[in-house]
Amino acid sequence: SQTIHQWPATLVQPVGSPLSLECTVEGTSNPNLYWYRQAAGRGLQLLFYSVGIGQISSEVPQNLSASRPQDRQFILSSKKLLLSDSGFYLCAWIDPTNYEQYFGPGTRLTVT
Amino acid sequence: GENVEQHPSTLSVQEGDSAVIKCTYSDSASNYFPWYKQELGKRPQLIIDIRSNVGEKKDQRIAVTLNKTAKHFSLHITETQPEDSAVYFCAAGVFFQKLVFGTGTRLLVSP
Repeated sequence: SQTIHQWPATLVQPVGSPLSLECTVEGTSNPNLYWYRQAAGRGLQLLFYSVGIGQISSEVPQNLSASRPQDRQFILSSKKLLLSDSGFYLCAWIDPTNYEQYFGPGTRLTVT
Repeated sequence: GENVEQHPSTLSVQEGDSAVIKCTYSDSASNYFPWYKQELGKRPQLIIDIRSNVGEKKDQRIAVTLNKTAKHFSLHITETQPEDSAVYFCAAGVFFQKLVFGTGTRLLVSP
């Protein structure tokens, strides 16, 4: 069966520090992958999506970037974090057998 | 691009009552309409979805309806229970492409 992992689960980082969040999917190949951010008490903001290795589409211009170095790995990065980057970061993938989108467990990031 | 509006933003009901959440979308090309439930501090969980080739789908106490002509779809929860309390998100999109989410509805079911 398919599984999606994210790490770390929680992270506290100072303003101006770098960021790297990782998402991996098991049990499927060449999935569509997505990064979302959810600010406290708010909705789901799509940040990036990828339909294959090295293919990244950006939805919102900001100080974040994404990469897909392997088929089932999706990474979210930043060179210098801002206070406004705090939030709940969710990775998601689409099951190719039924088109359903599933979210990973998320990373809760607090920028201090 | 697609735009999804969701109402109401908050909904309070008594246990046993029904709850209805409504969404509208703008892109007539959208053919996939999922609903997610998010409990506090957890990831959104897919609870039901509907595709454009059907007008209604039911799963126990949950049902979704879709009106493609009017570009709106709704989530119906019957016989609500306290454990139904959560934030619910609707979304719209095209198969295998990005989903656009509504802004969420906070449902509170009081015993």
